[in-house]
Amino acid sequence: GQQLNQSPQSMFIQEGEDVSMNCTSSSIFNTWLWYKQDPGEGPVLLIALYKAGELTSNGRLTAQFGITRKDSFLNISASIPSDVGIYFCAGQLGLSGNTGKLIFGQGTTLQVKP
Amino acid sequence: DTGVSQDPRHKITKRGQNVTFRCDPISEHNRLYWYRQTLGQGPEFLTYFQNEAQLEKSRLLSDRFSAERPKGSFSTLEIQRTEQGDSAMYLCASSEQGRYGYTFGSGTRLTVV
Repeated sequence: GQQLNQSPQSMFIQEGEDVSMNCTSSSIFNTWLWYKQDPGEGPVLLIALYKAGELTSNGRLTAQFGITRKDSFLNISASIPSDVGIYFCAGQLGLSGNTGKLIFGQGTTLQVKP
Repeated sequence: DTGVSQDPRHKITKRGQNVTFRCDPISEHNRLYWYRQTLGQGPEFLTYFQNEAQLEKSRLLSDRFSAERPKGSFSTLEIQRTEQGDSAMYLCASSEQGRYGYTFGSGTRLTVV
């Protein structure tokens, strides 16, 4: 089945530093999504990417949909303590109107030292 | 509307017992999804509904699991004869058809002892 390999598995950084994480797949996806999950809560959507090569920003977050459609990265600039959490990439195979099933990566745990 | 609601938030049950979880999606969303998440892993797809029709089931959903969405609104996920391996967070999500990046609920944490 499809698998997403997310790296790094965990990061421990100083407040104010920039962060980068990425996700690769052996399969082509038509949509890439990035979610953040806090302990005991469900994932919250951060950024959605719909076209190969697309670069999208949401505040201090920037994500790109790889040209090959098999990878994506997420950057967080000037990290702050509330950035702490687990970040998941997710790929969606279908086009609009399809099942919408998501395949998730294993997550990147981010810890920020004040 | 305050988002996707799941009940209960936590459930502890003895092995062999049956449990049922409820999910109330965002009211205008016609698609509803169930995922399971174990510690240290990303969510894994279990099943999804479009309105009241269950359109896809993962092979993770053994015959002890059943999901329903009888009127196309709320959904229930039942696990019969629970096993310790069923211990996980069960997440529900909803979306409008054709929209990406659906909204997740806070999940039901199941512990089988």
